[in-house]
Amino acid sequence: AQSVTQLDSHVSVSEGTPVLLRCNYSSSYSPSLFWYVQHPNKGLQLLLKYTSAATLVKGINGFEAEFKKSETSFHLTKPSAHMSDAAEYFCVVSGAGGYNKLIFGAGTRLAVHP
Amino acid sequence: KAGVTQTPRYLIKTRGQQVTLSCSPISGHRSVSWYQQTPGQGLQFLFEYFSETQRNKGNFPGRFSGRQFSNSRSEMNVSTLELGDSALYLCASSFDSLTEQYFGPGTRLTVT
Repeated sequence: AQSVTQLDSHVSVSEGTPVLLRCNYSSSYSPSLFWYVQHPNKGLQLLLKYTSAATLVKGINGFEAEFKKSETSFHLTKPSAHMSDAAEYFCVVSGAGGYNKLIFGAGTRLAVHP
Repeated sequence: KAGVTQTPRYLIKTRGQQVTLSCSPISGHRSVSWYQQTPGQGLQFLFEYFSETQRNKGNFPGRFSGRQFSNSRSEMNVSTLELGDSALYLCASSFDSLTEQYFGPGTRLTVT
């Protein structure tokens, strides 16, 4: 079975400092992994996806994630946080049904302080 | 290209009633998936429809059902509503199972 664990429920950073949101996954086969972001009262937006090509994946808004099979991790990073990055972030793995059966982590709420 | 649209955006129902939510996918997308988001359980997969057929199903009771029309629009129905069904219901569409999903803004259902 597939699952994801987001290691931090809340992360707080200052504007201009790096962001690190941690995610570990479990999958019985080579997984497809995603990061989605949800701003308040909005739907989910895809930040980036990993599908067994390059292990370092670049996404929108300066975010990137690195797939590490040996550590079963897919951490999300950004060199410099912006106030507009404040939102909830979800690490997601595709289930046995393909991309269209997504299994979500519990989410990490990112706060960005001036 | 217009995004995924969901109607209504907000809904208040009474326990025991039934409700129907609607989702219009991005033009050309054939797959529609539904998810339930609650503070306690997080985001959970309900079911997926592709070309009018249910292709995947999550672990929800039979009170939750759905369908897809020939134009790929989808509806989900919840019968005999319970207080615990209060949630944000998200719809997502994709071209097929190998392309990423795009989410709508959701329908917030409150059951009183």
